[in-house]
Amino acid sequence: GALVYQYPRRTICKSGTSMRMECQAVGFQATSVAWYRQSPQKTFELIALSTVNSAIKYEQNFTQEKFPISHPNLSFSSMTVLNAYLEDRGLYLCGARDGNQAPLFGEGTRLSVL
Amino acid sequence: GEQVEQLPSILRVQEGSSASINCTYENSASNYFPWYKQEPGENPKLIIDIRSNMERKQTQGLIVLLDKKAKRFSLHITDTQPGDSAMYFCAARDTNAYKVIFGKGTHLHVLP
Repeated sequence: GALVYQYPRRTICKSGTSMRMECQAVGFQATSVAWYRQSPQKTFELIALSTVNSAIKYEQNFTQEKFPISHPNLSFSSMTVLNAYLEDRGLYLCGARDGNQAPLFGEGTRLSVL
Repeated sequence: GEQVEQLPSILRVQEGSSASINCTYENSASNYFPWYKQEPGENPKLIIDIRSNMERKQTQGLIVLLDKKAKRFSLHITDTQPGDSAMYFCAARDTNAYKVIFGKGTHLHVLP
């Protein structure tokens, strides 16, 4: 079946440092990958949407300079949180989908910032 | 606009009764509406979805209704069980921008 692996599951970083999270699609082609952040008590904020053969589109309040994303092939994507601070805490989810299907989510990366 | 509004934010129902969650969307280009269930510490999982060419869909005790004219869609859980207690999120996909936007979630508590 189709699965999305996301790692690490949890990570702690010092304020001002950076951390990278990765997303692997298994059993289907991830023609698009969306990265979301679920802050405490909040819904899923879309950070950016990456579609094969198109430029990565960032939502308002999110920038490539802060959240650089790589989507080199149809099974892998990564995102880095640069210079993480307290407001960057939360659960980061990658949602991968093939064409018109609903996004399939990875387990999420829970980021804590000290 | 792209907002998806979801109500209520908290819903408490008695075991065996039904639960209803309502969402509205702004973008008339939205054509696909998935619903996700998220249990504590878990990632959200797709439970049911509906496309804009349908008004009603039912599967395993879940019913979704879509009113395109009113830009409203809803999830109905019949015969709720304690295992249905979780966060539920509605979402809408913009067919042009290819984005999936989520509602703020409903915390469903099924009381024994």
